Amino acid sequence: TQLLEQSPQFLSIQEGENLTVYCNSSSVFSSLQWYRQEPGEGPVLLVTVVTGGEVKKLKRLTFQFGDARKDSSLHITAAQPGDTGLYLCAGAEYGNKLVFGAGTILRVKS
Amino acid sequence: SQTIHQWPATLVQPVGSPLSLECTVEGTSNPNLYWYRQAAGRGLQLLFYSVGIGQISSEVPQNLSASRPQDRQFILSSKKLLLSDSGFYLCAWSGTSYEQYFGPGTRLTVT
Repeated sequence: TQLLEQSPQFLSIQEGENLTVYCNSSSVFSSLQWYRQEPGEGPVLLVTVVTGGEVKKLKRLTFQFGDARKDSSLHITAAQPGDTGLYLCAGAEYGNKLVFGAGTILRVKS
Repeated sequence: SQTIHQWPATLVQPVGSPLSLECTVEGTSNPNLYWYRQAAGRGLQLLFYSVGIGQISSEVPQNLSASRPQDRQFILSSKKLLLSDSGFYLCAWSGTSYEQYFGPGTRLTVT
């Protein structure tokens, strides 16, 4: 089974600050997804990146897939309290399965 | 549009009691279905997945089992719960892509 390492594990910042979450592996993934989860709810898909070097933007969120398709990053500009939650990256494994990182807990204080 | 349901939302069960969690999907046919467990709001551990009726693959040997009696129904069961079975259980579905869509989850507490 391939492994995905996320960093940092926990991030507490003030409203308006920028932040980056990293997702790294020694394995190549055919695609990688980012999810956001609020307490007591299921994860919600934010984005899927497929091509090495791909950059996708979703309002204040920017997602990048590494050239070698082994790593990804999520950058949030001008964080808001509504961005608070658990951010999970997941890499596509064989047989329609995903391998998930351990997650980054983000807290944005107003 | 597709929707996924899980019930119950919360469950408190004594050690040694049986378990049955149900997941149903609407608005799609022949989905891939998945059961995950999540501890303390961290990463997801894949327990079972299914690509069709009666086809179940187990990822982690443990006290749980899964069944898929209908195309869009996925059930997670146990004959005797252990304290270590406590957690947040999530059901998910996917189509032809790797993108998975999750249900609201069941919070299980074994006492």
